[in-house]
Amino acid sequence: GAVVSQHPSRVICKSGTSVKIECRSLDFQATTMFWYRQFPKQSLMLMATSNEGSKATYEQGVEKDKFLINHASLTLSTLTVTSAHPEDSSFYICSASVAGASNQPQHFGDGTRLSIL
Amino acid sequence: KNEVEQSPQNLTAQEGEFITINCSYSVGISALHWLQQHPGGGIVSLFMLSSGKKKHGRLIATINIQEKHSSLHITASHPRDSAVYICAVTGSGSRLTFGEGTQLTVNP
Repeated sequence: GAVVSQHPSRVICKSGTSVKIECRSLDFQATTMFWYRQFPKQSLMLMATSNEGSKATYEQGVEKDKFLINHASLTLSTLTVTSAHPEDSSFYICSASVAGASNQPQHFGDGTRLSIL
Repeated sequence: KNEVEQSPQNLTAQEGEFITINCSYSVGISALHWLQQHPGGGIVSLFMLSSGKKKHGRLIATINIQEKHSSLHITASHPRDSAVYICAVTGSGSRLTFGEGTQLTVNP
């Protein structure tokens, strides 16, 4: 089945550090990938839609200069949390669906737990 | 009112019990998804359906388009079924709108 690999699974770093999270589709091509954020005991919140070869579409309230998204190929999207602060600590997870196919299930990465000290 | 509502929020069952989780939505959809999130955070897509019923092992998902309602059933529940079950819908694109999730705990 379709597999999405997300890396790293856990990051602990100091305030002010920039952190890059990778989301890779291993055995399929994904024109579109989605980035979510999840706080404890809450539902997933869509941050942005990552489109291969074009700018990401950010949800209202999500700072595009804070959360940089790059989708340079059909199998890789990256989310960079720039100058991270403790309030950025959260669980980040990506998903992707097969390019060019309508009504396909979403395939999720395993998530990245980010802790900013 | 959320576009996707799930019930119950929390559910505790004994091993072997039949479990039902409900999902209602208020928007037009192209598909409804049932997802399972384990304590570590990883999410698995269980079902995607736009009509009728699907079965996979001990899991059954049904949807009634006219009533805008879906149910996820687990037969012969087991402690390893303990997880958060999330209902989500897609409209014309791939974007998911999520319910709040149901925390299921199955005790041995």
